[in-house]
Amino acid sequence: QKEVEQNSGPLSVPEGAIASLNCTYSDRVSQSFFWYRQYSGKSPELIMSIYSNGDKEDGRFTAQLNKASQYVSLLIRDSQPSDSATYLCAVSLTGGGADGLTFGKGTHLIIQP
Amino acid sequence: NAGVTQTPKFRILKIGQSMTLQCTQDMNHNYMYWYRQDPGMGLKLIYYSVGAGITDKGEVPNGYNVSRSTTEDFPLRLELAAPSQTSVYFCASILTGNTEAFFGQGTRLTVV
Repeated sequence: QKEVEQNSGPLSVPEGAIASLNCTYSDRVSQSFFWYRQYSGKSPELIMSIYSNGDKEDGRFTAQLNKASQYVSLLIRDSQPSDSATYLCAVSLTGGGADGLTFGKGTHLIIQP
Repeated sequence: NAGVTQTPKFRILKIGQSMTLQCTQDMNHNYMYWYRQDPGMGLKLIYYSVGAGITDKGEVPNGYNVSRSTTEDFPLRLELAAPSQTSVYFCASILTGNTEAFFGQGTRLTVV
């Protein structure tokens, strides 16, 4: 059974600092990795996707993938109060299409002003 | 462009009742999904479809049924509702060859 593990938090980070979110996955053949942000009572929205080992940067967000360690992380630089949300790590055996996504339970991030 | 639309937004069912959660998308996406999210948990895949006429079970399909007669619509049927089906249900779609999943706004279902 595919599993995705995250620390549920809450993770409290001062405004302007770097927030570091981590995720491990069990299925070694997983190909695609995603970070979704979910505000309370809202639907998830995609903020980052990564497919190969290394770092991928998009604005204040950096996703990191290490397939040998089965580990994915998300760094949020210059954290803002609007970043306070639950961050869901998701994994797919393919491109996120044909087989759907396996989600972790999410990490609740709180940015303290 | 409405994206993924789910109806209803909220529903209370009595044990043993049945209902259909509606999902429609206007983006011509082939792939569609139903997830459920219990409090403090991630999303779990119920059923998915890679195109009209094709459906398959996900991780937690028991107690649910789906159909996909058109590209746009992917309804989820609950027969004999049980308290364990109290959850928030999300419909999502993906364009073939793409990776970004677009989610509907969710349906909050309570079974009492």
